[in-house]
Amino acid sequence: AQTVTQSQPEMSVQEAETVTLSCTYDTSENNYYLFWYKQPPSRQMILVIRQEAYKQQNATENRFSVNFQKAAKSFSLKISDSQLGDTAMYFCAFMKRNTGNQFYFGTGTSLTVIP
Amino acid sequence: DAGITQSPRHKVTETGTPVTLRCHQTENHRYMYWYRQDPGHGLRLIHYSYGVKDTDKGEVSDGYSVSRSKTEDFLLTLESATSSQTSVYFCAITPREGHKDTEAFFGQGTRLTVV
Repeated sequence: AQTVTQSQPEMSVQEAETVTLSCTYDTSENNYYLFWYKQPPSRQMILVIRQEAYKQQNATENRFSVNFQKAAKSFSLKISDSQLGDTAMYFCAFMKRNTGNQFYFGTGTSLTVIP
Repeated sequence: DAGITQSPRHKVTETGTPVTLRCHQTENHRYMYWYRQDPGHGLRLIHYSYGVKDTDKGEVSDGYSVSRSKTEDFLLTLESATSSQTSVYFCAITPREGHKDTEAFFGQGTRLTVV
């Protein structure tokens, strides 16, 4: 079974500052994807960023970037220039490439951006 | 936005009654999933489907059954609802297996309360 661990249940950051959310995972697979999803109070699940395990280059999407350390099985999310709209629950997720495309989620980190 | 809708959005039911949640997609995606979201647990997979009439269990399948008679519809049934099944339920879909742009698209969620 795959496990995804997010060790920070809650975090806060001042508006315009940078914050990093941690995620580790455990797998024996070599071919997989990692994701960060955002869930604002509306409850909608929104994809923030995706990383393919075979790519060494860290993914970036505007103010969002990841630090992917495959050997350490670590996948942290950095949010730069934090905005009030970034306030949400953030879930790290793992998907292995096999029949089913099953996603495994961490327990989430609740991020609050302080004005 | 991916064409995925869940019904109902909210439901209150009594212990021991059967409940069916519906997920409908207009994307013609092969894979469909049911997750439950609980505080401190993130999202946990209940059941998933990889085609019409093809389903399999997830990590928290006890007390739940599913059916998929058409590509677009995936039904989750609680045979005899219990208070431990009070949760927010999400349906998700993914496109074909292994695609480099694979991501999970989620419905709006259903808040189910069992009293």
